[in-house]
Amino acid sequence: SYVLTQPPSVSVAPGQTARITCGGNSIGSTNVHWYQQKPGQAPVLVVYDDSGRPSGIPERFSGSNSGNTATLTISRVEAGDEADYYCQVWDSSSNHPGVFGGGTKLTVL
Amino acid sequence: EVQLVQSGAEVKKPGESLKISCKGSGYTFSTFWIAWVRQMPGKGLEWMGIIYPGDSDTRYSPSFQGQVTISADKSISTAYLQWSSLKASDTAMYYCARWDAAMGYWGQGTLVTVSS
Repeated sequence: SYVLTQPPSVSVAPGQTARITCGGNSIGSTNVHWYQQKPGQAPVLVVYDDSGRPSGIPERFSGSNSGNTATLTISRVEAGDEADYYCQVWDSSSNHPGVFGGGTKLTVL
Repeated sequence: EVQLVQSGAEVKKPGESLKISCKGSGYTFSTFWIAWVRQMPGKGLEWMGIIYPGDSDTRYSPSFQGQVTISADKSISTAYLQWSSLKASDTAMYYCARWDAAMGYWGQGTLVTVSS
């Protein structure tokens, strides 16, 4: 089955830019979605279809996807952005299409 | 307003059966896939499977095939996740989510605790 690889942790100072990667074989040829999960809460979709932003998500959240790596970029990081972030794809070649990355803990220093 | 409301927390013993639910409102339930996602304590999200309530077409992740059953009753806008014989390793938070190219709407989660 398809495997998505994320770094376990990323740290960034407030006001700086955080980049969280998601690696997968030819991931650039599929749509990637990103979810934010804060402790004790359900996940929230922050980027869909590589770079789309759902209503209510700040413009500081953006995404890109090319080759074997998708990236979630959070500009002007705030303390409230500290959370776990998960990438997810729909593996259309498989009969079980949903796949999540292992998750990345974003720490705001 | 789209909402997914899940049933309450459960405490069960190993070997017992369980069925948890996810009720949708604010949209046409039968026309969107519903996914189930597991999160074990302190761990990441795991895709379990997905169902289309309109015709009950269901897909399972290999890790969960044969371990759980996903079903839906479109007449009452409710999806279900069930176990016939729980194990301690089934202890986790379980989320349902509406799939429309991504999971934009999530239930609040159902905590299942399996302990003797």
